[in-house]
Amino acid sequence: QKEVEQNSGPLSVPEGAIASLNCTYSDRGSQSFFWYRQYSGKSPELIMFIYSNGDKEDGRFTAQLNKASQYVSLLIRDSQPSDSATYLCAVEYAGNNRKLIWGLGTSLAVNP
Amino acid sequence: DAGVTQSPTHLIKTRGQQVTLRCSPKSGHDTVSWYQQALGQGPQFIFQYYEEEERQRGNFPDRFSGHQFPNYSSELNVNALLLGDSALYLCASSFRGDYEQYFGPGTRLTVT
Repeated sequence: QKEVEQNSGPLSVPEGAIASLNCTYSDRGSQSFFWYRQYSGKSPELIMFIYSNGDKEDGRFTAQLNKASQYVSLLIRDSQPSDSATYLCAVEYAGNNRKLIWGLGTSLAVNP
Repeated sequence: DAGVTQSPTHLIKTRGQQVTLRCSPKSGHDTVSWYQQALGQGPQFIFQYYEEEERQRGNFPDRFSGHQFPNYSSELNVNALLLGDSALYLCASSFRGDYEQYFGPGTRLTVT
């Protein structure tokens, strides 16, 4: 079982719709959760982080964390063509060997 | 506020050669992490430097080494280059080893 899993996509949504991106993780000791956006040929850009169960909103972005079910999601409201990118989920594992584990990313295409 | 900078932007090397990549962290940050990202993959953690010491290391051979200077900037050195080392090398900075990281633009290394 992969430690951090994401649907590779591509996820295709029409402009103005809500895009929902999901990420599951295997270690219940995970502490922090990050969403990065990466445009083709560019470096990842941090867009959201969440530490506690529940929702965290920042503009058009909402991160949702459910530690009991071991998943974290990212919702993008009013999707724009400029949101078309790969979205990477990263999970911080605590413990003696604190480390950040990355998913492979979900490709999102927002169609005008 | 200066962001993370990396140099060079692109680099072409021959198998067996050595390469040095450089990174300056975001203003106020003291921790530098290095990642390797192959095409279509998520970032793979190489190592992290904090207080001029290697604090954590991923599953990379000893051919990959690094250094952090008193001004928090960092170098990544790769010896005996292999074709498989061709990738985008990313530097990310943070504060006190935190994983709320901000990435530089990356160095695209091609080994021929």
